[in-house]
Amino acid sequence: KAGVTQTPRYLIKTRGQQVTLSCSPISGHRSVSWYQQTPGQGLQFLFEYFSETQRNKGNFPGRFSGRQFSNSRSEMNVSTLELGDSALYLCASSGTSGSLADTQYFGPGTRLTVL
Amino acid sequence: GEDVEQSLFLSVREGDSSVINCTYTDSSSTYLYWYKQEPGAGLQLLTYIFSNMDMKQDQRLTVLLNKKDKHLSLRIADTQTGDSAIYFCAESPNTDKLIFGTGTRLQVFP
Repeated sequence: KAGVTQTPRYLIKTRGQQVTLSCSPISGHRSVSWYQQTPGQGLQFLFEYFSETQRNKGNFPGRFSGRQFSNSRSEMNVSTLELGDSALYLCASSGTSGSLADTQYFGPGTRLTVL
Repeated sequence: GEDVEQSLFLSVREGDSSVINCTYTDSSSTYLYWYKQEPGAGLQLLTYIFSNMDMKQDQRLTVLLNKKDKHLSLRIADTQTGDSAIYFCAESPNTDKLIFGTGTRLQVFP
């Protein structure tokens, strides 16, 4: 089975712009979670989608949003970019059952640099 | 609160055992995980342990769980240079998200 794929792998934007990142989960997985990784804050949970519905959301401002499509692919969007949004954004997929205990498998990440 | 702690660095000689420690806070966590991150890469799931287990062994990896003290450890036997990476423990409380530790950078020297 193919793993979790994320596109693009690298992205450079300027302050004030917006960005959309994409994640394709492992075939058959229905849950997609997004995490932000920075040197200062470590790995922080952004949000999780299951069957096109957001089930849980972390403590990020409303500039961070996401969605999930019927084929389980997910996108996250960050509007009005700030320098502090520079990070590695990781997507994880899990679960064919929708159980909260399903193991999460991560993609390689998208490295976003905001100038 | 949600706080998973790990020591930041560990340096070991090739062939020795490495032990990476983690303390977590949420006793309701059903599963506890260990992930590995190599430079420029995402997170690779190494192993996990169910909360009603004390120990799990998987080839060179041994996970020990002390639920009373909320302490988790990962032992890597016969550590190799290819094991050099950052290791994250993570807990999974009864929500659909992982709470990660700060990560331990393991450096293996010849």
